[in-house]
Formats: sequence, C-alpha cells, structure tokens
Amino acid sequence: GAGVSQSPSNKVTEKGKDVELRCDPISGHTALYWYRQSLGQGLEFLIYFQGNSAPDKSGLPSDRFSAERTGGSVSTLTIQRTQQEDSAVYLCASSLTSGGWETQYFGPGTRLLVL
Amino acid sequence: GDSVTQMEGPVTLSEEAFLTINCTYTATGYPSLFWYVQYPGEGLQLLLKATKADDKGSNKGFEATYRKETTSFHLEKGSVQVSDSAVYFCALLPNSGYALNFGKGTSLLVTP
Repeated sequence: GAGVSQSPSNKVTEKGKDVELRCDPISGHTALYWYRQSLGQGLEFLIYFQGNSAPDKSGLPSDRFSAERTGGSVSTLTIQRTQQEDSAVYLCASSLTSGGWETQYFGPGTRLLVL
Repeated sequence: GDSVTQMEGPVTLSEEAFLTINCTYTATGYPSLFWYVQYPGEGLQLLLKATKADDKGSNKGFEATYRKETTSFHLEKGSVQVSDSAVYFCALLPNSGYALNFGKGTSLLVTP
C-alpha cells in the first residue's frame, strides 16, 4: 500500500517568510509524528499526534513552529518567520498506534532551505 | 534522560567484508530498539527492531541482538555489498513513550 507522503519535497524560502509542510500518513494509522533532521542536531522529535487527543508539542523548538492534524489524517507543520537555522529536512512518520512495539514509518521528507 | 550512542563514521569497507556498527543506549526500563537505514537521496527505512531483551532482529542479512546486560544493540552483517552503502541510525523508543530517540548516524561506504 501507499506509504507516508510529504509535500513539497523541496522548499526554498527567504528569511522571515512563513512555510507550510504537509504530511499524508499511511491510511488507518492513528499516530503521527514530525521530526527534524539537521547537520548540527541530528534527528530530533518535534511533535506527536494520537487520534483526537491533544498533541504533544514538547519537541517544538520555538513558538514559531506549530502543527495541526485535520480529521485525524493529514497534518500540516507551519513555520512562521523562518530563520536560517530552520534549514533542515522535516520528516513525518506514522504508526498504527503509539505503543512501544509499534514501528514508525517515515516519509521521504521535505528539505527546507531558508536563505 | 534517554540517549543513544553510535560509533562515529564514516566506515569504509570492501565488498564482502564483515560489518559491525556499535550502538549503546541509556534508558530506564525496557525500551524497544531499532535500526533505521537511509540510502542516498531517500527517506528513513526501518531495517530491523527488537522489543525485549535477548531478542534478535534480522533483515536483509543484517542482525542485531538486544543485550540488556551491556545496554547494546550492535548491527552486524557477514558480507556487505556495494548496495549497503547508506547511513545507519540506531534508535530507541522508551517503554512508556512514543518519540524515537536517535543516535547521530553512521555512514557506511562499501567499495567494489
């Protein structure tokens, strides 16, 4: 079946602009995650959604970052007033549930470059 | 807090050589352990996993055994191929959590 998809695959923006990154999880997966992969920080957790519960935003680096998940499916990560340090690959993952044994399946990522 | 430590790369091997990538972890309780692989230009793919002590995960000729006593999950392959060239990430999932905690990744280059 279809895997996790993300769009756009690449995004170049100017410092100070807002960007929106989209994630379509695997159908039927109730848990959705955003991670960021950057040269300096490696792979770091950003935010987690499980069903209709309130998301865990503990990994978001600043209040310029926000995310929503509509209808328990598609998720959008928004970065306001982008800064050069936001340049990274943003990865979305989904899993059937959020149990410790569950495999998280990753999308191809969105490569963001802030000029 | 929980953490994962991987051996530094890059690792360069000749085709058919034996591969070991070391991974150790710090965590409370009994986390699940994973190896993910990222091929050039592609996203992260699950390679193998183990969810309890002494479990052995295996896939595509790769193996890793969950060693509670040494808090390790070393990745091994008996005979690497050029197509195994990629970045390998060790990760843990806390027993009561949901956010994967990744190591910094080990780059592997296999030459013909």
